[in-house]
Amino acid sequence: DTEVTQTPKHLVMGMTNKKSLKCEQHMGHRAMYWYKQKAKKPPELMFVYSYEKLSINESVPSRFSPECPNSSLLNLHLHALQPEDSALYLCASSQGPNTGELFFGEGSRLTVL
Amino acid sequence: AQKITQTQPGMFVQEKEAVTLDCTYDTSDPSYGLFWYKQPSSGEMIFLIYQGSYDQQNATEGRYSLNFQKARKSANLVISASQLGDSAMYFCAMRLNQAGTALIFGKGTTLSVSS
Repeated sequence: DTEVTQTPKHLVMGMTNKKSLKCEQHMGHRAMYWYKQKAKKPPELMFVYSYEKLSINESVPSRFSPECPNSSLLNLHLHALQPEDSALYLCASSQGPNTGELFFGEGSRLTVL
Repeated sequence: AQKITQTQPGMFVQEKEAVTLDCTYDTSDPSYGLFWYKQPSSGEMIFLIYQGSYDQQNATEGRYSLNFQKARKSANLVISASQLGDSAMYFCAMRLNQAGTALIFGKGTTLSVSS
């Protein structure tokens, strides 16, 4: 069983909707990540939180808004998305920003209509 | 800057045979880590094995071993005694050991194991 939990597993939304993806880990990890993955492509880094502070933002459009309420939780707020944003969104965590392997959740599969 | 290259889009192997998945990387930084992940059709990324740039010995984890050739900048994954459940996408990944960097992935190799 994965120790990184993502909800929801599937999400369908219209271009005017506001929704959120949630990620939770209880391993005491201090770095958390959002990756976006299109079909048959590698994951692409979106954001990195290190000790609850945003440390990397890979020039992601502002319609994606990350939030780290505490060391165990990571959210990705979605607003005014485009159909091309449809993808698998993977959350991951690691002991530290440059320490240990990344543990991934099962992902949230997003479809934007 | 860092770059990961996987040149094999797909590999086919029979059960119980060994298979090597290729990975080359490029960085001028002396301190880095190399990772292999498996992604079944369900979507979850499963960590397989890790090699640090200063590690003297090749990493092994059960049926997985990493053939690390630092001078050639290669980090090939060897799976011994393939099983049907090994059919999946395999990603090689790299992370520099410095602030402001994160794990980046190669394009992946799809492994198909047949009986």
